Amino acid sequence: DAKTTQPNSMESNEEEPVHLPCNHSTISGTDYIHWYRQLPSQGPEYVIHGLTSNVNNRMASLAIAEDRKSSTLILHRATLRDAAVYYCIGPINNDMRFGAGTRLTVKP
Amino acid sequence: EAGVAQSPRYKIIEKRQSVAFWCNPISGHATLYWYQQILGQGPKLLIQFQNNGVVDDSQLPKDRFSAERLKGVDSTLKIQPAKLEDSAVYLCASSLDPPSGRADEQYFGPGTRLTVT
Repeated sequence: DAKTTQPNSMESNEEEPVHLPCNHSTISGTDYIHWYRQLPSQGPEYVIHGLTSNVNNRMASLAIAEDRKSSTLILHRATLRDAAVYYCIGPINNDMRFGAGTRLTVKP
Repeated sequence: EAGVAQSPRYKIIEKRQSVAFWCNPISGHATLYWYQQILGQGPKLLIQFQNNGVVDDSQLPKDRFSAERLKGVDSTLKIQPAKLEDSAVYLCASSLDPPSGRADEQYFGPGTRLTVT
């Protein structure tokens, strides 16, 4: 099973970078790492996903360790609107198993 | 592009009553998911459809929960009879491609908040 481990909560100051870690030591070699986030009172939204190499999009960057046992979601400049629960997911047979995620608080 | 639509947004019922939720996925999305999210927890997959066939319902409490996706588009999730522990947000999501060896980007609706008293 591709179980993931994330810190329960993190804090950041507005306009500063945020590094959200995730451990997924049992992920298979062909499963992508997915990140979603859930803003208050909304459904989760896709952030980014990757397999082996680092990935960038307009929302964030994803740095994947060479051994694929961990990854880090990077928000380059946190804003108040980035306050959310961030989920790191390693699918099991295409089943997106959401854990409790990391609650990110952004301070002005 | 319209997102995933769900209704109702809120529902309050008494235990042992029945309730149904409706979901309209993004047009053209073959795969549809129903999740249950209990307060303070991440979403838990209940059932996954590919077109109108069930791909995975291993975590669906089949003694009281049922779901269907007629014609491979809209879907309904029903609970009968409801229990107190069913109080949660029920999320519907859809994705463009069927499972192909890797999970595809899912688009979530706003959810239905169910309170069972």
